[in-house]
Amino acid sequence: GQNIDQPTEMTATEGAIVQINCTYQTSGFNGLFWYQQHAGEAPTFLSYNVLDGLEEKGRFSSFLSRSKGYSYLLLKELQMKDSASYLCAVLSNDYKLSFGAGTTVTVRA
Amino acid sequence: IAGITQAPTSQILAAGRRMTLRCTQDMRHNAMYWYRQDLGLGLRLIHYSNTAGTTGKGEVPDGYSVSRANTDDFPLTLASAVPSQTSVYFCASSDASHNEQFFGPGTRLTVL
Repeated sequence: GQNIDQPTEMTATEGAIVQINCTYQTSGFNGLFWYQQHAGEAPTFLSYNVLDGLEEKGRFSSFLSRSKGYSYLLLKELQMKDSASYLCAVLSNDYKLSFGAGTTVTVRA
Repeated sequence: IAGITQAPTSQILAAGRRMTLRCTQDMRHNAMYWYRQDLGLGLRLIHYSNTAGTTGKGEVPDGYSVSRANTDDFPLTLASAVPSQTSVYFCASSDASHNEQFFGPGTRLTVL
């Protein structure tokens, strides 16, 4: 099975940087995903890491260390619209996604 | 339609009733999934299908059944609903690369 941990809540100021950490223990690994979910809406894809290192996509970056069972999502130049829940998910060897409980990020003016 | 659709958007159901949640995708994705999302627990996989004609159990399959008669449709059935099945249900799909799962808009189900 999978055990995925991420902080419950984070608060940051508009224009700042926030880093959301995710640790996982897995019986099989085929990649790590980050999703964004606004209240009352469906999750939307942000990033996918299968190899170690940093993937940058605009204001969002995601990092993976497979040996440490660790990932983070970095949100730069925070905007009010970034207030949402961020979900860390691990893809197993049989292609099933297991999700963490999500981190609610609140951006304050 | 484009992407994934789910129906109904929301439903209030009496305990003991049978209910089918519908999910349709037009992206010709092989794999489809059903999740439930509950506060504090995140998304949990109920059932999945890697290709038409096959299904598998996820983390919380009890009380639910699925079928995959064709590529596009993946209905989820609650044979006899119970209050603990009150949740938001999301359907998702992915192609053979499994590099991204696309989610439907969700169905909010309340069982009284």
